[in-house]
Amino acid sequence: EVQLVESGGGLVQPGGSLRLSCVVSGFTFSSFSMNWVRQAPGRGPEWVSFISASSSIIYYADSVKGRFTISRDNAKNSLYLQMNSLRDDDTAVYYCARPGSVYDAFDIWGQGTMVTVSS
Amino acid sequence: EIVMTQSPATLSVSPGERATLSCRASQSVGSKLAWYQQKPGQAPRLLFFAASTRAADIPGRFSGGGSGTEFTLIISSLQSEDFAVYYCQQYNGWPRTFGQGTKVEI
Repeated sequence: EVQLVESGGGLVQPGGSLRLSCVVSGFTFSSFSMNWVRQAPGRGPEWVSFISASSSIIYYADSVKGRFTISRDNAKNSLYLQMNSLRDDDTAVYYCARPGSVYDAFDIWGQGTMVTVSS
Repeated sequence: EIVMTQSPATLSVSPGERATLSCRASQSVGSKLAWYQQKPGQAPRLLFFAASTRAADIPGRFSGGGSGTEFTLIISSLQSEDFAVYYCQQYNGWPRTFGQGTKVEI
């Protein structure tokens, strides 16, 4: 069974840091690019970051550029999101999402991990 | 950035009725358009990619269409499990962008 499991969310003060993890199973992780997508309460999804299968290509949304860092460890079947200088508007459920093998729509999503930025 | 605009924001329908949801892109995305369904407390679920290709296990009462800047998702006969929020998303350019959603309610 294909599965993505996020962890690392929690309550953090503004200006603080968190590191999210996404452990995958059921497919060859090293063959797929990956993404982080977030969803603030009551809002639609917002794409956050992309990393290619070999980590050679990385993109970020403007809203997180310079503060967030995406990375992966193919040997550990794991995707990461290091989040620094967190702001109130970073409060959201964070999902890791995998695109399809022949298309870039997100066909597999994790269950999400909640990040709350508040003093 | 490509802005995705969905209409209507809320669609009130009865079980068995037809629902038509629209999505407009601020510039052409070709056919690189996906639709997702989301229920409370769940992650989005892929319904369509390439504008009109059903994802795995998506029932035939769902159909997608369009290209360029205008797209449509049709649910031909609403079932109780179809009441949810639906999002379109373009994957033609970076950043990937989503519409604000259409809530299909009774």
